[in-house]
Amino acid sequence: RKEVEQDPGPFNVPEGATVAFNCTYSNSASQSFFWYRQDCRKEPKLLMSVYSSGNEDGRFTAQLNRASQYISLLIRDSKLSDSATYLCVVNGARGGRDDKIIFGKGTRLHILP
Amino acid sequence: SAVISQKPSRDICQRGTSLTIQCQVDSQVTMMFWYRQQPGQSLTLIATANQGSEATYESGFVIDKFPISRPNLTFSTLTVSNMSPEDSSIYLCAAVGPHDVKLFFGSGTQLSVL
Repeated sequence: RKEVEQDPGPFNVPEGATVAFNCTYSNSASQSFFWYRQDCRKEPKLLMSVYSSGNEDGRFTAQLNRASQYISLLIRDSKLSDSATYLCVVNGARGGRDDKIIFGKGTRLHILP
Repeated sequence: SAVISQKPSRDICQRGTSLTIQCQVDSQVTMMFWYRQQPGQSLTLIATANQGSEATYESGFVIDKFPISRPNLTFSTLTVSNMSPEDSSIYLCAAVGPHDVKLFFGSGTQLSVL
């Protein structure tokens, strides 16, 4: 099993719809989880942290399921500007003293007008 | 969150030459990293830039090819040496602050090697 795994997509979703995608991680000792957004030819930017209790920021909701070792991102009322690649990031995925920040390969989202 | 200035933003280089990329952070950070992102791929960690000592390289990356400096807590450079077309990629520096676990990125350097 890969350390951090995401469905690469693309997800083609009509504007206004709700879309959700998951990210699985292999190491149950992982400590911190994030969703980043990356636009074409731009650097990744932090979208939101993912907390055990789940968290919401406007149209975005992130959840963590430790038992099944995945995190999810839900986008409601999707906008054209939501089109991007969404990267799942896990800190502590290797479980060692020198834990690294591990990036998933990203899920491409296309919002269609 | 830290603001990271990275330059150059892009360059076109000849095979066999070297390019040095600089990153300046606007506040002291504990850790700085260098990543590479090839077209259509996710980020690959090249190395962790250690302040005042040699960088820690990931498997597949060596100091002779990617020498890194970090003379203080806010500045780091990555040199891509003896470039070949296979080095064409986006190079990104990133940092984690002293009271944080979140990673912040510079704006990236788009490198094309002819």
